[in-house]
This record gives sequence, structure tokens and C-alpha cells, in this order.
Amino acid sequence: DIQMTQSPSSLSASVGDRVTITCQASQDISNYLNWYQQKPGKAPKLLIYDASNLETGVPSRFSGSGSGTDFTFTISSLQPEDIATYYCQQYDNLPPWTFGPGTKVDIK
Amino acid sequence: QLQLQESGPGLVKPSETLSLTCTVSGGSISSSSYYWGWIRQPPGKGLEWIGSIYYSGSTYYNPSLKSRVTISVDTSKNQFSLKLSSVTAADTAVYYCARHSQGGIMDVWGKGTTVTVSS
Repeated sequence: DIQMTQSPSSLSASVGDRVTITCQASQDISNYLNWYQQKPGKAPKLLIYDASNLETGVPSRFSGSGSGTDFTFTISSLQPEDIATYYCQQYDNLPPWTFGPGTKVDIK
Repeated sequence: QLQLQESGPGLVKPSETLSLTCTVSGGSISSSSYYWGWIRQPPGKGLEWIGSIYYSGSTYYNPSLKSRVTISVDTSKNQFSLKLSSVTAADTAVYYCARHSQGGIMDVWGKGTTVTVSS
């Protein structure tokens, strides 16, 4: 199975700050990488697919980049409603598809 | 607007079989563009993909659970179902159903249902 790691595991930032999360795959997954946002008690929500494509209706302050094994997720200006846990997920080739362990984002 | 809703018992005894159903509304489960999957999340932990099914009945499962998992589809009811046998406390989790592309982009999720395994 392809293993996914994320860093940091948690972070605190101020409103308006730029926030960056990294995700690393244990092998080359091309651009087969999604990012999800999960708020407490809610289902995950797709934000970014194919590493860098913004899902319809998602604010443009969210972005993603990367390919191969190293990926980055960025919130350009953190808003109070962005408090959540963010997960990366790989979908290279055949399943099993795997998720990263998550990054919890809080307001400082 | 497509919606998914999980249903089933919230409490299952150890060694028994967990059974959940996902009802799809606002669209057809027989869409040729999508697959239908189950994902779970133990309390305080991350997400684990369990398995998925195509409307034709083709399935694929996470190898870590394959021996205990069966996913089926009922196109007449616009539903798909999960059965997980021989459950233990480690199977306690929130179970989500989701729609995804053939490639695994999970774009529509149900709200989730909590299943506790306990005697």
C-alpha cells in the first residue's frame, strides 16, 4: 500500500496568515492527490483534486501543488471558518486508496 | 442536488455482522461516471477507505478488510450496502458513504453514521 504522511500534525495561526501543509507519498503517485477539509462532527469535504484543481464552489484562498511524492496545500489568508482538520488522499492506480493522518488547523 | 444518507444499527455486538445502507437521492446510482464507496473513521482517528462498488456490481475492497467485507448495490432502490462480519471493538467508527470517480476523487459524502461494537 502507498503510505501518506502529513506535516505538521497540527498548527495554530492568526486570521489572515498564510498556512501551508505538506503531504508526502511513499512512492510516485503523479498528481493523483486530493485534499479534504473536515470540520468537527461533519463529513469530509473535497477541496482540491488532481493535486491542484479547485473543486467547484471552494474559495480561491485554497490551493494545492506538487507531483510525484511531494505535495503542498495552502490557505492564502486563514479565515475563522477554516478551522478544521485537513487530509490528503492518494488515488494512484489501483486501490487501496489511502489518506494522510491529517493536519489540525486552529486559530491562534 | 445529489445527497447520500447512511442508515443502520448504531450498536452491534462483537463477532456479529455490521450492516449499513446508503440511500442515494437527487441522482441515479446507475450513472456510468461514478462509483460508490464506504469510508470509516474511528473515534479521534483518521479516514480509512473500506471498499467501493459500481452500479454493475463490480467491487473492490481494501485488502486489510477484504476477508470480512461485502458491498452490494440495489439499483431499483438507488441504494448500496455494506456488510462487515466478525466485528470487534476496533470496528467502532463513524461510517461514511461517498460517491467517487473511477479514479477515487470522493466528491459527495453522506453525513456519516456512528456504529459502536459492544456487548
